[in-house]
Amino acid sequence: DTEVTQTPKHLVMGMTNKKSLKCEQHMGHRAMYWYKQKAKKPPELMFVYSYEKLSINESVPSRFSPECPNSSLLNLHLHALQPEDSALYLCASSQDRDTYSPLHFGNGTRLTVT
Amino acid sequence: QKEVEQDPGPLSVPEGAIVSLNCTYSNSAFQYFMWYRQYSRKGPELLMYTYSSGNKEDGRFTAQVDKSSKYISLFIRDSQPSDSATYLCAMSVSYAGGTSYGKLTFGQGTILTVHP
Repeated sequence: DTEVTQTPKHLVMGMTNKKSLKCEQHMGHRAMYWYKQKAKKPPELMFVYSYEKLSINESVPSRFSPECPNSSLLNLHLHALQPEDSALYLCASSQDRDTYSPLHFGNGTRLTVT
Repeated sequence: QKEVEQDPGPLSVPEGAIVSLNCTYSNSAFQYFMWYRQYSRKGPELLMYTYSSGNKEDGRFTAQVDKSSKYISLFIRDSQPSDSATYLCAMSVSYAGGTSYGKLTFGQGTILTVHP
């Protein structure tokens, strides 16, 4: 089991639905990330939060809306998605912004958009 | 040309073999190097992390970095069927500047199968 917990594990949603992905870590990390991984491809960065503030948005469409309510939680709100958005959505965390430390990933939410 | 090129595999080896996984990179700003293992339907699991040239050993795993040649390797000794997974190399630039913080550049992954 990883120390980064993601829920739900699987999600099927229609193109008009609104849903949210949740991520939680209790390692005291102050940087948290969303990555997207398509089948047989490496993960791609979407967003970076540092000390609960959004610090990097990799030109992600506005139908993806991240939120960091506190240092342990990270959400990704989804609205009006397209079938091509179907992928594994990975949350990760690392120690903080001041000292480089490697990322630790959760097991992801497998999203299917119908 | 991709910034990070990983030997594509797939690799199939017998149990007990020594496995060598390799990546080359073109961006000399990369300073941090990682290897992740990803089982089917799971997230990437950090195996090894290093930031200096040379070898780093952890149990059956050895990570090797050669910054002058822009080349990294992961060696697995006494491979086991439980090592069957996709292996991803990943790199990151120095934090200085901060704009690339947290952005890992991954290789395309190598699928490894260790058969009994």
